[in-house]
Amino acid sequence: EPEVTQTPSHQVTQMGQEVILRCVPISNHLYFYWYRQILGQKVEFLVSFYNNEISEKSEIFDDQFSVERPDGSNFTLKIRSTKLEDSAMYFCASRLPMNYEQYFGPGTRLTVT
Amino acid sequence: QQQVKQSPQSLIVQKGGISIINCAYENTAFDYFPWYQQFPGKGPALLIAIRPDVSEKKEGRFTISFNKSAKQFSLHIMDSQPGDSATYFCAASSSGSNYQLIWGAGTKLIIKP
Repeated sequence: EPEVTQTPSHQVTQMGQEVILRCVPISNHLYFYWYRQILGQKVEFLVSFYNNEISEKSEIFDDQFSVERPDGSNFTLKIRSTKLEDSAMYFCASRLPMNYEQYFGPGTRLTVT
Repeated sequence: QQQVKQSPQSLIVQKGGISIINCAYENTAFDYFPWYQQFPGKGPALLIAIRPDVSEKKEGRFTISFNKSAKQFSLHIMDSQPGDSATYFCAASSSGSNYQLIWGAGTKLIIKP
C-alpha cells in the first residue's frame, strides 16, 4: 500500500541553524500539507501546497518557514533559523484531487537545543 | 470560530465496553469530519470520516454520529480492545480553506484487559 515517507525520523539542531525536513508524498497525490505537533499538544496546520505554490498558511508559518517541491517526488519544509519553540513533531500529509482524505507520514521529530 | 473542541481528555474503558469521544465545532463551513488514531511515535492514521449529509457512518466497530444542528460529532468504538489503546483526534475541514485540518486536542484512550 502506498504511503507517505519522511526523513529524517529525528533531527537535532542548534538554535539559529537551518533545517530541511523531507517528505515523499504518495505518488499520484497532488495536494501536500505540513502540520506540527508540539509534545503532548494537538496537531496544528502549517501550510498547504498545490501546483507549486502555497494555497493556505497558518499564523505559525512565518517568514522563517518555506516549502518547496524541488522535483517530482520530494516536498520539503525549511526552517531558516530555528528557535527552541520549533521543537516538535512535523508531519507531512498528501491527498488526491477531489478527495478529502489526507494521508500522513510517520513524522520527523525536531529537537532544537 | 476555527476551533474544534474535544472531550474527554482521557478515557479508560474495560475490554469489551463502548468508548465514546465527543467533538464540537463552531464553523458551519466545515464539511468534512475525520477521526484519526495515533499510536506513540507514529503519525496520525485516518480511522473513519463523515460528511454532513449523513447522521451516522459505521465501519466495523467504529461509528461516527453526527448532529448538524448541534454542531457536534462523536466516535463510538464498540467492543473496545486493548489494541485500540491510542490517542484519538477529531478534526474538521472545509473546501473553502483547501481542506486544511483543524484538530481537536486529542483523547488518550486506555482499554483495560
